[in-house]
Amino acid sequence: LAKTTQPISMDSYEGQEVNITCSHNNIATNDYITWYQQFPSQGPRFIIQGYKTKVTNEVASLFIPADRKSSTLSLPRVSLSDTAVYYCLVGPRGGSNYQLIWGAGTKLIIKP
Amino acid sequence: DADVTQTPRNRITKTGKRIMLECSQTKGHDRMYWYRQDPGLGLRLIYYSFDVKDINKGEISDGYSVSRQAQAKFSLSLESAIPNQTALYFCATSDSTGLVGETQYFGPGTRLLVL
Repeated sequence: LAKTTQPISMDSYEGQEVNITCSHNNIATNDYITWYQQFPSQGPRFIIQGYKTKVTNEVASLFIPADRKSSTLSLPRVSLSDTAVYYCLVGPRGGSNYQLIWGAGTKLIIKP
Repeated sequence: DADVTQTPRNRITKTGKRIMLECSQTKGHDRMYWYRQDPGLGLRLIYYSFDVKDINKGEISDGYSVSRQAQAKFSLSLESAIPNQTALYFCATSDSTGLVGETQYFGPGTRLLVL
């Protein structure tokens, strides 16, 4: 089972690019990397998912090096509304008899 | 996500009482999950179900039980509530088509206080 490690907290300023790195040294061949965002008193919300190299969508980019032992969530030009906890999740595609491993989360605070 | 609903949203109960938290989904997903979140901590998996006839214990199943009444409904029960079960509880669903990595959709949460 892959275990993930993230920074406990980060802060930045509006308009900046923010990069949050997740370490998953024991990631398995069939594991995907998924990032979620959680606002206070709400359920986590899917942001982005990838297997290798780079994935980009309308809200973020995900960079995964060739060895896949880490991944970096990149949030371009953040705003105050990006203040949230961000979770890195490593888990297999389909299958059975597994447990999803959640990182402890990174509390991101965006300042004006 | 409005496709995953949880009832009640808030609940206060006393030690020793039996309570049930309910989750319903309209996403048509086969997999459902119950998580617990304590202040400042990440999510911990309590139980998960891959279909109506499949129930599996998660990381912290002691003191909890579940029932998958239908594909769309997954209930979590605390047979005899204790104060350290005070937490925020989330239900989630996912699709097992296997075409992409696991993506979960979460309900709004149930805030439980055990006195």
